[in-house]
Amino acid sequence: KQEVTQIPAALSVPEGENLVLNCSFTDSAIYNLQWFRQDPGKGLTSLLLIQSSQREQTSGRLNASLDKSSGRSTLYIAASQPGDSATYLCAVSNNNDMRFGAGTRLTVKP
Amino acid sequence: DGGITQSPKYLFRKEGQNVTLSCEQNLNHDAMYWYRQDPGQGLRLIYYSQIVNDFQKGDIAEGYSVSREKKESFPLTVTSAQKNPTAFYLCASSRGQGMGNTEAFFGQGTRLTVV
Repeated sequence: KQEVTQIPAALSVPEGENLVLNCSFTDSAIYNLQWFRQDPGKGLTSLLLIQSSQREQTSGRLNASLDKSSGRSTLYIAASQPGDSATYLCAVSNNNDMRFGAGTRLTVKP
Repeated sequence: DGGITQSPKYLFRKEGQNVTLSCEQNLNHDAMYWYRQDPGQGLRLIYYSQIVNDFQKGDIAEGYSVSREKKESFPLTVTSAQKNPTAFYLCASSRGQGMGNTEAFFGQGTRLTVV
């Protein structure tokens, strides 16, 4: 069974810092990996999708990388802003379902 | 607008009652999923469906049931057999595996409380 782990569980940084969130998974036979953002009491918003054949994806200040062989992905956030404060979740998909990590709760202090 | 709609946003259930959570999508997606989220925890998979009239149990299917009679709809019933149903429930959809871009999209969730 696929296990997804996210480190750290919580992170607090001052505004303007660059930061990295980590995601690891146990079964490298994935179809894709997706990063989401969740605000308190809300649903999930898709940030980036990386297909298994890709190494990275970029959207604005966000960059996600994927190393399938080692079972790792990172989400890089450049020049963090208070509006980036949220929980960030990664999810991996195989042929049948989608499995999530527990998330990293990010706080960006003004 | 295209997207996934979950209703109701808040739901209260008495002990011993069955309740049904609605999930509708107009994205023409084949795959749909139900997750449960407890405070401070990640999402746990309840049921998923890759095609109409077919669905599979996830990790925590006990006490739940689903149906997939239409492509657009994937309702979740929380039965009285579910001993701890208070949680935040999230529905998602994607194009399905083997169909190119399979980005998943989520509804805004239903918060279920047992009273």
